[in-house]
This record gives sequence, structure tokens and C-alpha cells, in this order.
Amino acid sequence: NAGVTQTPKFQVLKTGQSMTLQCAQDMNHEYMSWYRQDPGMGLRLIHYSVGAGITDQGEVPNGYNVSRSTTEDFPLRLLSAAPSQTSVYFCASSPGQIYGYTFGSGTRLTVV
Amino acid sequence: RKEVEQDPGPFNVPEGATVAFNCTYSNSASQSFFWYRQDCRKEPKLLMSVYSSGNEDGRFTAQLNRASQYISLLIRDSKLSDSATYLCVVNFPTGGGNKLTFGTGTQLKVEL
Repeated sequence: NAGVTQTPKFQVLKTGQSMTLQCAQDMNHEYMSWYRQDPGMGLRLIHYSVGAGITDQGEVPNGYNVSRSTTEDFPLRLLSAAPSQTSVYFCASSPGQIYGYTFGSGTRLTVV
Repeated sequence: RKEVEQDPGPFNVPEGATVAFNCTYSNSASQSFFWYRQDCRKEPKLLMSVYSSGNEDGRFTAQLNRASQYISLLIRDSKLSDSATYLCVVNFPTGGGNKLTFGTGTQLKVEL
């Protein structure tokens, strides 16, 4: 049972490049979310999903897209990377509204 | 006003001490509450849920005060291994899903 798996663990991008951060969970959780964590800012919600085919925006969605074609996968796409997107990105999943989330180990992204 | 507020600390305490953290939240309709622990450069991990009647898990006790809109975490007999950042997390109702909002965390350092 792997839990929540994020790839890659580290990534350096040039400004303007695009990429996809992968997230997969094997716990059959309906709810999945993407957060970014910056020093002094705490974790901020980017996008979330309550099930396959359903996604919605969080607090800081600009510059990011998501899709949820299966229960297991919830990729995060950076459309045109900017230095302001340098951050640590966490994917998380949960079985339901009253439960906490299980987090992946994170992706450390640097945009130069 | 921030949706979830915590004292950033750090709280420096000797081993064996009792330490308490508080967290306030702004939305009186919030339904679920959690404490997470985050070690340096690691993902957040669920420490405990917080129930209306209060709950205990070993050396850890969580309390919820809905009238004053705060939750607390008490750690008894602190261990060196308790050194970490403790995140207060609140579930805000959105009409569509499970959106957790994180506080910026309280740093705890347990010393010999």
C-alpha cells in the first residue's frame, strides 16, 4: 500500500516552460487536493477534486490546471512556469469530508 | 482576519514539560478540525482529529471550543522527538467538497 505518490521529487524549470506534476493514490479516496507551501505562508489550496470528473479551484489556482479522469490520479499542470511558482507542492487525498488528508512526500519546484 | 490563525512560536521547552498550542478560526460553520505535525522538509502528517467533546491520544489532548472558535493541543511529558511544526487545520464548508484550510503552524523545540 503506497499511499499518495508524487513525482518528480525535485524539478528545475526555466521561465515559460510547462510541466505536469504527477499524483497517484491507491487508497480509493474520492477527495484529492493540491497545495503549495511557501515560507511564512502555510499551505495554500490550489485545486481540489471530490471525485473523478469533478474539480474546482482553491485559493491560488492561477497558472495551474488539473483534471481527474480516474479516482487514482490527479495531475497538476503548470501552463507557463514563472519564478513566483517556485514552491513545494503537496498532493493529498481523503476518503471524505470528516476525515483528514494523507499527503504525498512533495515536489520541490524551482523556476529560474 | 486570517481564516485560521496560530502563534508561529517557536516554543522552546525542556524535555518532560507540558506545552499547549491554541488556534483560532473565523468561520463558525466549520465542521471538522485537525492537528497535523510537519517535520522539516517533510510532508504534513495527521496527528489527531479534534472532536467536540475533546479527545486524547497518549500524551496528546485536543480540545474544541465552538463558542470562542478555537481549538487547542496539549502535549504532556514532551520528548525530543516532538520537535516539529504543528499545523492547525479546519474544514470550511464550500457546498461542493472538502476544503481544508491550514494555519501557518506553531514551531515546537524540545530541548535537553
